[in-house]
Amino acid sequence: EAEVAQSPRYKITEKSQAVAFWCDPISGHATLYWYRQILGQGPELLVQFQDESVVDDSQLPKDRFSAERLKGVDSTLKIQPAELGDSAMYLCASSPGGDTQYFGPGTRLTVL
Amino acid sequence: GDSVTQMEGPVTLSEEAFLTINCTYTATGYPSLFWYVQYPGEGLQLLLKATKADDKGSNKGFEATYRKETTSFHLEKGSVQVSDSAVYFCALTGFGNEKLTFGTGTRLTIIP
Repeated sequence: EAEVAQSPRYKITEKSQAVAFWCDPISGHATLYWYRQILGQGPELLVQFQDESVVDDSQLPKDRFSAERLKGVDSTLKIQPAELGDSAMYLCASSPGGDTQYFGPGTRLTVL
Repeated sequence: GDSVTQMEGPVTLSEEAFLTINCTYTATGYPSLFWYVQYPGEGLQLLLKATKADDKGSNKGFEATYRKETTSFHLEKGSVQVSDSAVYFCALTGFGNEKLTFGTGTRLTIIP
């Protein structure tokens, strides 16, 4: 069964450093999402792509976060510089269209 | 905007007990409703969904009915197992919108 891949699974960094997360969606899925899940809370959408275009990035802190999906396949989410409050699980999801999203295992970020 | 209010946890039950996790929502129009499950160390998995009023979603012995009159989508299972221990998230997508809005999650622990 096809799955959404994410790497790394865990990342520890110091504040003010740059970090990057990678996501490979299920083959053929045109829509890709990045969510942030703070401990004890539900995931919140950061950015949504349709192919290589950003559909919704209204909740992305654009002063330090950036996301790209250059060829409309895999995607990278970057934080520069990282802050203590960025410690969270970063989840990637993909969808072939419609209302069902398939989630990857996530990247757990700890900022020291 | 759209929101989901979920029964707070943690919830601890004995094996074979009856489970109910309450979920209510606020949304304009006719949202689609979902339950996702997150096992330890894993990403979110879709458990069940319902897309219109009075629909019942079911999977792995879990059920939830879309109640528009009470804006609710409560999760139930007649006899829980230790393997059901996980965090359960209620979520919705707004009408014409693919973005998932999640509740805060309910941690369920089943004791043998």
